[in-house]
Amino acid sequence: QQPVQSPQAVILREGEDAVINCSSSKALYSVHWYRQKHGEAPVFLMILLKGGEQKGHDKISASFNEKKQQSSLYLTASQLSYSGTYFCGTEDGGSQGNLIFGKGTKLSVKP
Amino acid sequence: EPEVTQTPSHQVTQMGQEVILRCVPISNHLYFYWYRQILGQKVEFLVSFYNNEISEKSEIFDDQFSVERPDGSNFTLKIRSTKLEDSAMYFCASGRGGQTEAFFGQGTRLTVV
Repeated sequence: QQPVQSPQAVILREGEDAVINCSSSKALYSVHWYRQKHGEAPVFLMILLKGGEQKGHDKISASFNEKKQQSSLYLTASQLSYSGTYFCGTEDGGSQGNLIFGKGTKLSVKP
Repeated sequence: EPEVTQTPSHQVTQMGQEVILRCVPISNHLYFYWYRQILGQKVEFLVSFYNNEISEKSEIFDDQFSVERPDGSNFTLKIRSTKLEDSAMYFCASGRGGQTEAFFGQGTRLTVV
């Protein structure tokens, strides 16, 4: 079952913050976040495993609430380089690699 | 830095023809995947491969698709009789397993005419 991402698109000015949400109707084993720039391959950001993890990477962090079956990606003090489409990929049964991606959230950061 | 490489970068084929998309995963990875992305849409899982066999496949991965690891380094996706709707970017990915990240190749853009 495909996870639902929200919002579908967001436009920010440099330095502003954004939150991207990913939710599933099924119990989740892990959540993977990727960023894809136009015409390029998805690039891995982070994985969150069940246990209610939070992780951070520079000014990008994420949380995973397995009870609510949802994850959120937090982008703080956004930079122009953050522009792209963000996908969450979810695993529901520990099947390695069977990531089901959401439709993506297009983030545009303007100067 | 090791990377997943895919060839060709762009393939144009006539409807009904067979195509083989090639991938060289990162050498110490054990799990291999193919994903598809129709232009402007989300990335869709096709198949995962481990220990020389398919471990998972999606509904998209029907009988016209097959995967192979013929020589221990290459990982191929074959589409037997291409259809117009097979036009998409095909990404190969590899990983070490254990809920670690998948590394994506740059993709092969397949255009079926």
